[in-house]
Amino acid sequence: GAVVSQHPSRVICKSGTSVKIECRSLDFQATTMFWYRQFPKKSLMLMATSNEGSKATYEQGVEKDKFLINHASLTLSTLTVTSAHPEDSSFYICSARGGLVGGYTFGSGTRLTVV
Amino acid sequence: AQSVTQLGSHVSVSEGALVLLRCNYSSSVPPYLFWYVQYPNQGLQLLLKYTTGATLVKGINGFEAEFKKSETSFHLTKPSAHMSDAAEYFCAVSPGGSGGSNYKLTFGKGTLLTVNP
Repeated sequence: GAVVSQHPSRVICKSGTSVKIECRSLDFQATTMFWYRQFPKKSLMLMATSNEGSKATYEQGVEKDKFLINHASLTLSTLTVTSAHPEDSSFYICSARGGLVGGYTFGSGTRLTVV
Repeated sequence: AQSVTQLGSHVSVSEGALVLLRCNYSSSVPPYLFWYVQYPNQGLQLLLKYTTGATLVKGINGFEAEFKKSETSFHLTKPSAHMSDAAEYFCAVSPGGSGGSNYKLTFGKGTLLTVNP
């Protein structure tokens, strides 16, 4: 079945540094990738949608200069949290659309802690 | 526009009892509907989905859901709860059909299922 590999699973970084999270579709071409943020005991909040080779579309209220998304190929999308601050600490999850009809496959998530 | 309402943020059942997690949706176009399960510090795993065809959908781990258009519902059931079913469950909706670029998933707020021995 469709698999999305997300790395790293956990990362701790110092305030002011940047962190890159990768999402790869392993056995299908992901025409669209979605990036979500999840707060403790909360639902998933869509941050942005990206299509291969084009600029990402950000949801209202999401800072595009802070959360840089690159979707350079049909199998790889990256989210870079720039100049991270403690309030950026969260669980980030990617999702890829492609393959089977109506199919969305989720990565395993990245727990980001900014200290 | 689409939205999802999950009734009950927390459902508690005894092991072996029926599991019923409620989901109602609204969508301006024929929807695709999904149920996902999330274990702590993990991503989402697809339990089942409805796209077209048979309205009773069977998924993994003994779960099933029925799409009822007249009630705009997609409730998740399992005849007999197991301890390993304890997790967070999310209902989600996306626009159905082919073409177009807006395939965003809209999630409900989630229902935490606890299973008591």
